[in-house]
Amino acid sequence: DQQVKQNSPSLSVQEGRISILNCDYTNSMFDYFLWYKKYPAEGPTFLISISSIKDKNEDGRFTVFLNKSAKHLSLHIVPSQPGDSAVYFCAARRNQGAQKLVFGQGTRLTINP
Amino acid sequence: DAGVIQSPRHEVTEMGQEVTLRCKPISGHDYLFWYRQTMMRGLELLIYFNNNVPIDDSGMPEDRFSAKMPNASFSTLKIQPSEPRDSAVYFCASSKTGGPRETQYFGPGTRLLVL
Repeated sequence: DQQVKQNSPSLSVQEGRISILNCDYTNSMFDYFLWYKKYPAEGPTFLISISSIKDKNEDGRFTVFLNKSAKHLSLHIVPSQPGDSAVYFCAARRNQGAQKLVFGQGTRLTINP
Repeated sequence: DAGVIQSPRHEVTEMGQEVTLRCKPISGHDYLFWYRQTMMRGLELLIYFNNNVPIDDSGMPEDRFSAKMPNASFSTLKIQPSEPRDSAVYFCASSKTGGPRETQYFGPGTRLLVL
């Protein structure tokens, strides 16, 4: 039972354009969402997060949008840069089990020069 | 400040052998997590500890897997006997109660190949 789903295994975007990565979840008890970025041969690193009381959080070139009614969140990267090429994981947690994260399968983003 | 340390970075073994993966969390962190990454299922949480006590091991696939945390600075994940389907990248992560967004910090992972 995959509670957090990233349906696109890969995405290719031109440098300078917008990258949009999507994530869907099924558990309505999730109230905090995170995106992690992973380079080859390294562990995932935290990128950006959003609480369920918000619908948008922005940090530089990265913006996360949350649509609670649709149980959907997305990560926007604009403009995309070659260094953004990585695997992006969406994760969610419940406040009750605050430390436990449920991750999606990941989306491999490739930025083409 | 050293991050999460995992050893070995790579492990190749034969089916039926015992495998032990090791993790040193960030000093001062009170949570430790073990994950497995596969293409099909992404990052799966296997088990996590709080103050060295296992809290949730519901993700441990079967009795062949066991994890221990004898002290705040060391944890092991053991697979005995190992099988080819255990081949994956295993990550250890740690976090701190009340830390920034209580985010988890991951080690570089151990790539395990069981032949």
